[in-house]
Amino acid sequence: EVHLVDSGGGLVQPGGSLRLSCAASGLPFSNYWMAWIRQAPGKGPEWVANINQDGGQKNYVDSVRGRFTISRDNAKHSVHLQMDSLRAEDTALYYCAVNTGDYWGQGTQVTVSS
Amino acid sequence: QSVLTQPPSTSGTPGLRVTISCSGSSSNIGSHDVLWYQQFPGSAPKLLIDGNDQRRSGVPDRITGSKSGTSASLAISGLQAEDEANYYCAVWDDSLHGWVFGGGTKLTVL
Repeated sequence: EVHLVDSGGGLVQPGGSLRLSCAASGLPFSNYWMAWIRQAPGKGPEWVANINQDGGQKNYVDSVRGRFTISRDNAKHSVHLQMDSLRAEDTALYYCAVNTGDYWGQGTQVTVSS
Repeated sequence: QSVLTQPPSTSGTPGLRVTISCSGSSSNIGSHDVLWYQQFPGSAPKLLIDGNDQRRSGVPDRITGSKSGTSASLAISGLQAEDEANYYCAVWDDSLHGWVFGGGTKLTVL
Protein backbone atom coordinates (compact mmCIF):
# COMPACT_ATOMS: atom_id res chain seq x y z
CA GLU A 1 0.00 0.00 0.00
CA VAL A 2 1.31 3.44 -0.93
CA HIS A 3 1.77 5.77 2.02
CA LEU A 4 2.89 9.41 1.94
CA VAL A 5 3.55 11.29 5.18
CA ASP A 6 3.85 15.07 4.99
CA SER A 7 5.56 17.11 7.71
CA GLY A 8 7.27 20.41 8.42
CA GLY A 9 4.40 22.86 8.35
CA GLY A 10 3.78 25.52 10.96
CA LEU A 11 3.19 29.18 11.71
CA VAL A 12 5.79 31.56 10.29
CA GLN A 13 6.04 35.32 9.91
CA PRO A 14 6.02 36.95 6.47
CA GLY A 15 9.47 36.76 4.97
CA GLY A 16 10.29 33.62 6.91
CA SER A 17 11.19 30.11 5.76
CA LEU A 18 9.94 26.56 6.18
CA ARG A 19 11.08 23.21 4.84
CA LEU A 20 8.40 20.65 4.11
CA SER A 21 9.17 16.96 3.86
CA CYS A 22 7.33 13.95 2.49
CA ALA A 23 8.27 10.36 3.29
CA ALA A 24 7.04 7.78 0.79
CA SER A 25 6.62 4.04 1.14
CA GLY A 26 4.96 1.20 -0.73
CA LEU A 27 6.07 2.21 -4.22
CA PRO A 28 9.26 2.21 -6.36
CA PHE A 29 9.88 5.85 -5.43
CA SER A 30 12.62 6.57 -7.95
CA ASN A 31 10.27 5.65 -10.83
CA TYR A 32 7.88 8.54 -10.26
CA TRP A 33 7.57 12.27 -10.66
CA MET A 34 6.65 13.85 -7.32
CA ALA A 35 4.70 17.04 -6.72
CA TRP A 36 3.62 19.49 -4.06
CA ILE A 37 0.03 20.71 -4.33
CA ARG A 38 -1.53 23.22 -1.95
CA GLN A 39 -5.06 24.13 -1.03
CA ALA A 40 -6.09 27.33 0.71
CA PRO A 41 -9.18 27.27 2.92
CA GLY A 42 -12.34 27.12 0.83
CA LYS A 43 -10.37 27.04 -2.42
CA GLY A 44 -9.48 24.40 -4.98
CA PRO A 45 -6.11 22.68 -5.24
CA GLU A 46 -3.18 24.60 -6.72
CA TRP A 47 -0.18 22.78 -8.15
CA VAL A 48 3.00 24.28 -6.68
CA ALA A 49 5.97 22.32 -8.05
CA ASN A 50 7.08 18.98 -9.35
CA ILE A 51 10.33 17.09 -9.84
CA ASN A 52 11.22 14.25 -12.17
CA GLN A 53 12.59 10.85 -11.26
CA ASP A 54 16.29 11.80 -10.98
CA GLY A 55 15.76 15.38 -9.80
CA GLY A 56 17.07 16.88 -13.02
CA GLN A 57 13.79 18.51 -14.05
CA LYS A 58 11.87 20.86 -11.78
CA ASN A 59 8.83 22.97 -12.56
CA TYR A 60 7.19 25.67 -10.46
CA VAL A 61 4.01 27.74 -10.53
CA ASP A 62 4.87 31.34 -11.35
CA SER A 63 3.86 32.65 -7.93
CA VAL A 64 6.55 30.63 -6.12
CA ARG A 65 9.35 30.49 -8.68
CA GLY A 66 12.53 31.91 -7.16
CA ARG A 67 11.22 31.51 -3.61
CA PHE A 68 10.52 27.77 -3.34
CA THR A 69 12.85 24.88 -4.17
CA ILE A 70 11.76 21.29 -4.64
CA SER A 71 14.23 18.45 -4.12
CA ARG A 72 14.25 14.70 -3.58
CA ASP A 73 16.38 11.99 -2.02
CA ASN A 74 15.71 8.70 -3.78
CA ALA A 75 17.82 6.77 -1.28
CA LYS A 76 15.57 7.96 1.53
CA HIS A 77 12.33 7.88 -0.50
CA SER A 78 11.67 11.50 0.36
CA VAL A 79 10.80 14.77 -1.33
CA HIS A 80 11.19 18.24 0.14
CA LEU A 81 9.96 21.77 -0.45
CA GLN A 82 12.17 24.61 0.81
CA MET A 83 9.99 27.68 1.11
CA ASP A 84 11.70 31.07 1.52
CA SER A 85 10.39 34.64 1.53
CA LEU A 86 6.99 33.37 2.58
CA ARG A 87 3.93 35.56 2.03
CA ALA A 88 0.47 35.58 3.52
CA GLU A 89 -0.92 34.22 0.26
CA ASP A 90 1.21 31.07 0.70
CA THR A 91 -1.03 30.07 3.62
CA ALA A 92 -2.54 26.68 2.73
CA LEU A 93 -2.57 22.96 3.39
CA TYR A 94 0.37 21.52 1.47
CA TYR A 95 0.10 18.00 0.06
CA CYS A 96 2.83 15.81 -1.33
CA ALA A 97 1.61 13.76 -4.29
CA VAL A 98 2.82 11.07 -6.66
CA ASN A 99 2.74 12.35 -10.24
CA THR A 100 -0.16 14.81 -10.20
CA GLY A 101 -2.24 13.06 -7.60
CA ASP A 102 -2.15 9.31 -8.10
CA TYR A 103 -1.56 9.24 -4.35
CA TRP A 104 -1.64 12.04 -1.77
CA GLY A 105 -0.18 12.66 1.66
CA GLN A 106 -2.34 13.80 4.53
CA GLY A 107 -1.15 17.39 4.13
CA THR A 108 0.78 19.75 6.37
CA GLN A 109 -0.57 23.19 7.29
CA VAL A 110 1.47 26.28 6.50
CA THR A 111 0.29 29.57 7.99
CA VAL A 112 2.09 32.81 7.19
CA SER A 113 1.03 35.55 9.57
CA SER A 114 2.51 38.20 11.81
CA GLN B 1 -9.47 33.18 -11.77
CA SER B 2 -8.59 29.71 -13.02
CA VAL B 3 -7.31 28.94 -16.50
CA LEU B 4 -9.83 26.10 -16.53
CA THR B 5 -13.50 27.01 -16.17
CA GLN B 6 -15.92 24.79 -14.27
CA PRO B 7 -19.45 25.58 -13.10
CA PRO B 8 -19.32 26.40 -9.37
CA SER B 9 -22.17 24.05 -8.58
CA THR B 10 -24.56 21.47 -9.97
CA SER B 11 -27.17 19.17 -8.51
CA GLY B 12 -29.23 16.13 -9.30
CA THR B 13 -31.64 13.66 -7.80
CA PRO B 14 -30.68 10.08 -6.98
CA GLY B 15 -30.64 7.81 -10.01
CA LEU B 16 -30.28 10.56 -12.56
CA ARG B 17 -27.23 11.72 -14.55
CA VAL B 18 -25.19 14.86 -14.12
CA THR B 19 -22.38 16.27 -16.22
CA ILE B 20 -19.61 18.60 -15.07
CA SER B 21 -17.80 20.61 -17.71
CA CYS B 22 -14.23 21.90 -17.81
CA SER B 23 -13.38 24.49 -20.44
CA GLY B 24 -9.81 25.36 -21.36
CA SER B 25 -7.76 26.35 -24.38
CA SER B 26 -5.41 25.06 -27.03
CA SER B 27 -2.43 25.35 -24.66
CA ASN B 28 -3.92 22.98 -22.10
CA ILE B 29 -6.95 20.77 -22.78
CA GLY B 30 -6.45 21.10 -26.52
CA SER B 31 -2.97 19.59 -26.24
CA HIS B 32 -2.90 17.34 -23.17
CA ASP B 33 -4.83 14.69 -21.27
CA VAL B 34 -7.26 15.77 -18.57
CA LEU B 35 -7.46 14.45 -15.02
CA TRP B 36 -10.54 14.50 -12.76
CA TYR B 37 -10.56 14.44 -8.96
CA GLN B 38 -13.21 13.98 -6.28
CA GLN B 39 -12.80 15.65 -2.88
CA PHE B 40 -14.81 15.32 0.31
CA PRO B 41 -14.55 17.97 3.05
CA GLY B 42 -11.55 17.39 5.26
CA SER B 43 -9.93 14.85 2.92
CA ALA B 44 -7.31 14.98 0.20
CA PRO B 45 -8.53 14.87 -3.39
CA LYS B 46 -8.83 11.44 -4.99
CA LEU B 47 -7.92 10.85 -8.61
CA LEU B 48 -10.91 9.42 -10.48
CA ILE B 49 -9.99 9.74 -14.15
CA ASP B 50 -6.70 10.16 -16.01
CA GLY B 51 -5.93 10.15 -19.70
CA ASN B 52 -9.26 11.98 -20.34
CA ASP B 53 -11.37 8.86 -19.92
CA GLN B 54 -9.41 6.19 -18.03
CA ARG B 55 -11.02 5.26 -14.73
CA ARG B 56 -8.64 4.59 -11.87
CA SER B 57 -8.85 1.29 -10.06
CA GLY B 58 -11.98 1.05 -7.92
CA VAL B 59 -13.85 3.87 -9.64
CA PRO B 60 -17.33 2.65 -10.67
CA ASP B 61 -18.15 2.56 -14.37
CA ARG B 62 -21.07 4.93 -13.86
CA ILE B 63 -18.40 7.66 -13.70
CA THR B 64 -17.02 8.53 -17.13
CA GLY B 65 -14.70 11.17 -18.56
CA SER B 66 -14.52 12.57 -22.06
CA LYS B 67 -12.75 15.28 -24.01
CA SER B 68 -13.53 17.17 -27.20
CA GLY B 69 -11.33 19.96 -28.50
CA THR B 70 -10.59 22.38 -25.67
CA SER B 71 -13.28 21.08 -23.31
CA ALA B 72 -13.65 18.04 -21.10
CA SER B 73 -16.55 16.57 -19.16
CA LEU B 74 -17.14 14.28 -16.23
CA ALA B 75 -20.44 12.41 -16.22
CA ILE B 76 -21.92 10.61 -13.23
CA SER B 77 -24.93 8.42 -13.93
CA GLY B 78 -27.13 6.59 -11.45
CA LEU B 79 -26.44 9.41 -8.99
CA GLN B 80 -26.01 8.34 -5.37
CA ALA B 81 -25.90 10.29 -2.12
CA GLU B 82 -22.24 9.27 -1.73
CA ASP B 83 -21.38 11.22 -4.91
CA GLU B 84 -21.99 14.53 -3.14
CA ALA B 85 -18.54 16.12 -3.20
CA ASN B 86 -16.36 18.68 -4.96
CA TYR B 87 -14.97 17.76 -8.38
CA TYR B 88 -11.90 19.26 -10.05
CA CYS B 89 -10.35 18.94 -13.47
CA ALA B 90 -6.61 19.39 -14.07
CA VAL B 91 -4.28 19.46 -17.05
CA TRP B 92 -0.76 20.53 -18.07
CA ASP B 93 -0.56 23.99 -19.62
CA ASP B 94 2.13 24.68 -22.20
CA SER B 95 1.97 28.46 -21.82
CA LEU B 96 2.30 28.38 -18.02
CA HIS B 97 4.63 25.38 -18.11
CA GLY B 98 2.80 23.86 -15.19
CA TRP B 99 -0.27 21.97 -14.08
CA VAL B 100 -3.51 23.90 -13.68
CA PHE B 101 -6.67 22.99 -11.80
CA GLY B 102 -10.21 24.07 -12.49
CA GLY B 103 -12.01 26.11 -9.86
CA GLY B 104 -14.07 23.10 -8.85
CA THR B 105 -17.73 22.09 -9.01
CA LYS B 106 -19.75 21.29 -5.91
CA LEU B 107 -22.16 18.46 -6.64
CA THR B 108 -25.25 18.31 -4.45
CA VAL B 109 -27.46 15.22 -4.46
CA LEU B 110 -30.97 16.41 -3.73
